[in-house]
Amino acid sequence: NAGVTQTPKFQVLKTGQSMTLQCAQDMNHEYMSWYRQDPGMGLRLIHYSVGAGITDQGEVPNGYNVSRSTTEDFPLRLLSAAPSQTSVYFCASSRQGSGTEAFFGQGTRLTVV
Amino acid sequence: AQSVAQPEDQVNVAEGNPLTVKCTYSVSGNPYLFWYVQYPNRGLQFLLKYITGDNLVKGSYGFEAEFNKSQTSFHLKKPSALVSDSALYFCAVKSGGSYIPTFGRGTSLIVHP
Repeated sequence: NAGVTQTPKFQVLKTGQSMTLQCAQDMNHEYMSWYRQDPGMGLRLIHYSVGAGITDQGEVPNGYNVSRSTTEDFPLRLLSAAPSQTSVYFCASSRQGSGTEAFFGQGTRLTVV
Repeated sequence: AQSVAQPEDQVNVAEGNPLTVKCTYSVSGNPYLFWYVQYPNRGLQFLLKYITGDNLVKGSYGFEAEFNKSQTSFHLKKPSALVSDSALYFCAVKSGGSYIPTFGRGTSLIVHP
């Protein structure tokens, strides 16, 4: 099993450009989520999904869109990149249930100039 | 609502000495508590979790954590630190019925030779 796979690992965007961060998991997990990690801020939840066709906003959703058409994939779209979106982005998945631990991808380091 | 606090940004310990990384939480109802570790330029890895039962939980790499309901704490411990334990440690909490955990800001553990 590959676990949670994120692509790309690194990306530089110009302000105003759009892009999609890809996330795929091969563990048949129901829950998937996107976080951003910034120095001193820990992990902040952007969007999450509890199953195909179901998504919801997290703590910092503005400027980002998600969709979940399949169990495996949960892409994150930046609509119009801003320097404030410079961050490291992590995708995570977990089985259904409160006591289940999350599995994380390796992260995407995004710089917006 | 659920929240978690890691009061120390950094913990320094000498190799061979015991280490403690602190975490306190706030949830409605019973908590589900987790510790994760992040090595440089990597995603988070699950270390251990408390769901119910024994207050002392054992996890990967010799780490353990003690659940204390009266103090609403879940401190991470290891009897003898290794230089290779140096990393960023995150505490996370879920309340019963919640889908996605809330993470603390992280504590940087530095083990000196």
